Amino acid sequence: QSALTQPRSVSGSPGQSVTISCTGASSDVGGYNYVSWYQQHPGKAPKLMIYDVTKRPSGVPDRFSGSKSYNTASLTISGLQAEDEADYYCCSYAGSYTVVVFGGGTKLTVL
Amino acid sequence: QLQLQESGPGLVKPSETLSLTCTVSGDSFSSNTYYWGWIRQPPGKGLEWIGSFHYSGNTYHNPSLKSRVTISADTSKNQVSLKLNSVTAADTAIYYCARQMEGATTDYWGQGTLVTVSS
Repeated sequence: QSALTQPRSVSGSPGQSVTISCTGASSDVGGYNYVSWYQQHPGKAPKLMIYDVTKRPSGVPDRFSGSKSYNTASLTISGLQAEDEADYYCCSYAGSYTVVVFGGGTKLTVL
Repeated sequence: QLQLQESGPGLVKPSETLSLTCTVSGDSFSSNTYYWGWIRQPPGKGLEWIGSFHYSGNTYHNPSLKSRVTISADTSKNQVSLKLNSVTAADTAIYYCARQMEGATTDYWGQGTLVTVSS
């Protein structure tokens, strides 16, 4: 059982927007502005898409955005494209003892 | 261009010790900005952080694995190593070497190496 809870799957049509939630606790997501999101295509290593809740690394399209409210973080992908079909994982800093926790992952299907 | 390359046996027997090495090239391993860590992913499952090393010498571990994990580094070779003892089939996974920033953000990943625990 993962520390952070994500929906197992979400789907959307090309051009639409989807949002993936990531629910934790006050000891991780709610306690720090250190939530990151990763995209993973089959057989590939994960790729950083969002960090520090809302920041996008260089090269990541602005169709990807992040937000947080209390203990739940969200990743929104607007203008869905076929290549966005992948697994998405959230991650949070969880203090000096637990340090790093991941969500269980969400499979995004582009219909 | 930063590169992280994992190396080590792809097959380990139950109860033995899994040993992996990550060689970092193209960046300063000695930077105080980054942590060098290990993350694993069982086949078809999610990601699990194992632990990280900081150039200051501090190491950080997943509490659920801490009793079995040793993370160390050879700064002269720009290498960070992972040892996981008393392995079982549940430790079968792709093991990724990764660069992490403050706040647990992982900005660079190695390609990963599959380690299977089986007799």
